[in-house]
Amino acid sequence: GQSLEQPSEVTAVEGAIVQINCTYQTSGFYGLSWYQQHDGGAPTFLSYNALDGLEETGRFSSFLSRSDSYGYLLLQELQMKDSASYFCAVRNTDKLIFGTGTRLQVFP
Amino acid sequence: NAGVTQTPKFRVLKTGQSMTLLCAQDMNHEYMYWYRQDPGMGLRLIHYSVGEGTTAKGEVPDGYNVSRLKKQNFLLGLESAAPSQTSVYFCASGPRVDEQYFGPGTRLTVT
Repeated sequence: GQSLEQPSEVTAVEGAIVQINCTYQTSGFYGLSWYQQHDGGAPTFLSYNALDGLEETGRFSSFLSRSDSYGYLLLQELQMKDSASYFCAVRNTDKLIFGTGTRLQVFP
Repeated sequence: NAGVTQTPKFRVLKTGQSMTLLCAQDMNHEYMYWYRQDPGMGLRLIHYSVGEGTTAKGEVPDGYNVSRLKKQNFLLGLESAAPSQTSVYFCASGPRVDEQYFGPGTRLTVT
């Protein structure tokens, strides 16, 4: 089967850097995706890593280590608007398996 | 380019009533998905489609049916609504499985 683990909650202050970790167990691995969801909103696609290493998109970066079955989402120069839930996800044939989500709270 | 749209945005049903939720995408995506999300919870997959004319069951398919007669539309039907189906329903589409774009959601209450 497939499972993902991520912390339930992370807190940080504006301007700081925060890392949200995700470990996964899967029988067949294609890559790791990240999604953001604000309260009352819909999930939005952030990034996808198929290969080991760091992918940077503006203030957000995503890292993958296939040998460690581990990835993380790095958010830099935190802003209040980054307060949201963040989900990692892995592919299972033609569907995604989502983690339970990490709630990020950014304080002034 | 509207992306993924969902109709209706809100709905209240009585137990036993039926309804259809419509999802439309204008991005020519092959993959389409229906999820439900209960308060404070993650996403649970109801049904999905890998192309026009195909459908498959997800994690929680009971009480729901789907159809994908046209590539751009994915319909979710509730045959006989139950209070346990009170939830927020999200549709998503994508050019590949790992990259999905979500609609704004339908908030359904069954009394």
